[in-house]
Amino acid sequence: EIVLTQSPATLSLSPGQRASLSCRASQNIYFQLAWYQQKSGQPPRLVLYEASKRATGVPDRFSGGGSGTDFSLEISSLEPEDVAIYSCQQRYTWPPTFGQGTKLEI
Amino acid sequence: EVQLLESGGDLVQPGGSLRLSCKVSGFSFSSYGMNWVRQVPGKGLEWVAAVRRGGDTYYADSVQGRFTVSRDNSNYTVFLQMDSLRAEDTAVYYCAKDSALANYYFDHWGQGTLVTVSS
Repeated sequence: EIVLTQSPATLSLSPGQRASLSCRASQNIYFQLAWYQQKSGQPPRLVLYEASKRATGVPDRFSGGGSGTDFSLEISSLEPEDVAIYSCQQRYTWPPTFGQGTKLEI
Repeated sequence: EVQLLESGGDLVQPGGSLRLSCKVSGFSFSSYGMNWVRQVPGKGLEWVAAVRRGGDTYYADSVQGRFTVSRDNSNYTVFLQMDSLRAEDTAVYYCAKDSALANYYFDHWGQGTLVTVSS
């Protein structure tokens, strides 16, 4: 099973700053990575898939990059509504697995 | 509008059984795979089971042999039958739809239903 390790565990920034979140896979997963946003008391929401493609309705301040084993999620200019836990997930090998999440505080 | 609504979560004793349901609307249900993903409160997400549009089923090792996923295309509902429940199965269970792009990208989620296994 592929292990996804996210860092940092918690990220505290101010409105307007740029956030950079990391996800590292235990083996090559090519581009087959998604990012989810989960606000308090809500289900996850798909943000990015195929490492860099934005899901429907996601603002363009969210971007993703990376391939192989190292991936990133960047939020260019933080807004208060971006407070959430962000989790990565791979679908390259079965079973699909998730990272433990990065908590973004603003 | 795509909607998924889970039900059936409850408090159950170890060794007991529970059946979760997920009623969906707003998309062509029979054309998509459906999944169950769980989350221990305050912890990460864990994929549990999937049922493909053709009916093939897949399970995480942690639930293989104890859980059964199924679907009723005529009633736009997916089920998760959970038997031989253990304390470690305590979690919020989410129903999640496969995206049109690929299996195991989850583009819509329900609000979740809480399963508590305790004596």
